[in-house]
Amino acid sequence: NAGVTQTPKFRILKIGQSMTLQCAQDMNHNYMYWYRQDPGMGLKLIYYSVGAGITDKGEVPNGYNVSRSTTEDFPLRLELAAPSQTSVYFCASSSIGVTADTQYFGPGTRLTVL
Amino acid sequence: DAKTTQPNSMESNEEEPVHLPCNHSTISGTDYIHWYRQLPSQGPEYVIHGLTSNVNNRMASLAIAEDRKSSTLILHRATLRDAAVYYCILRGYSGAGSYQLTFGKGTKLSVIP
Repeated sequence: NAGVTQTPKFRILKIGQSMTLQCAQDMNHNYMYWYRQDPGMGLKLIYYSVGAGITDKGEVPNGYNVSRSTTEDFPLRLELAAPSQTSVYFCASSSIGVTADTQYFGPGTRLTVL
Repeated sequence: DAKTTQPNSMESNEEEPVHLPCNHSTISGTDYIHWYRQLPSQGPEYVIHGLTSNVNNRMASLAIAEDRKSSTLILHRATLRDAAVYYCILRGYSGAGSYQLTFGKGTKLSVIP
């Protein structure tokens, strides 16, 4: 199993540009998550999904959109990039999402907005 | 989710045991205690979790105080590969069905050869 994969690994955007961060998992997990991590800080939840077709906002959703058309994929869309979105983005998945569940993380996408 | 308090940083000599403390005085009865770690330039990885009893796995041990207001992650023999930021996280149902992990700043563990 590849686990959770993310593309691209690095990206530089100009202010106002758009892009989609890709996330895929091959563990047949129902729950998927997007987090961002600013320098020296912990991770903050952006959006999550409990299954195909179902998504909901996390702690910091402004400026982002998500969709979940399949169990495997959970792309994160930035519509109008801003310098405040410079961060490392991590995708994660888990099987059942209950309090004893384990989340598996991807390697991250490092995004710089100039 | 209830708050956790961890030291900002700790040091350990290689091949010695490491005890990483975490205080969570406002923990509720249904909160699980999770530990994740993040190696440099990588995503977080699961280490261990528990509810009331002490837990062991191949990576570490988790000692939970009887009143559950604190816990300690124990690495039995630190290696250079264990140098990472360790996060103590209380996992509870958020009420919105999110089951999210709430990360603080964690403890940065340095391992001295």
